[in-house]
Amino acid sequence: GAVVSQHPSWVICKSGTSVKIECRSLDFQATTMFWYRQFPKQSLMLMATSNEGSKATYEQGVEKDKFLINHASLTLSTLTVTSAHPEDSSFYICSASRGSGAVDTQYFGPGTRLTVL
Amino acid sequence: DQQVKQNSPSLSVQEGRISILNCDYTNSMFDYFLWYKKYPAEGPTFLISISSIKDKNEDGRFTVFLNKSAKHLSLHIVPSQPGDSAVYFCAAKSNFGNEKLTFGTGTRLTIIP
Repeated sequence: GAVVSQHPSWVICKSGTSVKIECRSLDFQATTMFWYRQFPKQSLMLMATSNEGSKATYEQGVEKDKFLINHASLTLSTLTVTSAHPEDSSFYICSASRGSGAVDTQYFGPGTRLTVL
Repeated sequence: DQQVKQNSPSLSVQEGRISILNCDYTNSMFDYFLWYKKYPAEGPTFLISISSIKDKNEDGRFTVFLNKSAKHLSLHIVPSQPGDSAVYFCAAKSNFGNEKLTFGTGTRLTIIP
């Protein structure tokens, strides 16, 4: 159990377009979902935390109008990169938490590779 | 500002020997530490964790040691197996960060048969 999926696994888009990435918890209800970004040879950087039915909490330096997060249900969160630029090219990864309070119940998706031309 | 650091980007170890992965942190508010393992094209999977009130936690072949005074933790894998080849991330959290995790940059471990 505790499987998290992401779609798409990779995407190439033109500069100026928007891209939506989906994160789904397949066999459990996720009270909290997290979005991370990882640049090559760097660590996973938390972008935002989202709770079902409420607005996402963004980390310092992350533009909330550029990275739109919607946590519409207990099994789905989406990240939309709006007006993408080449510098947004990165590996985006989500995680989902059952909300039991233990940190090790954060389950990660396989990630989405975004390339902006 | 990299609060969690893994200074060795890669490590090669002979099968059957001990693998030691190191991690240093700078934030004294961190009180819970975790190790994740990541295969290519997959998300990180939780491996083992340790609370700051302990200095050692063991789970099968995996042992994590914590030296709070040095702000250093290490993951020992013994004996190392080919399936252990992966990228290992250490992560840390503080009581005030809720579930927020701060990750290190990762160490690629290669087990040589």
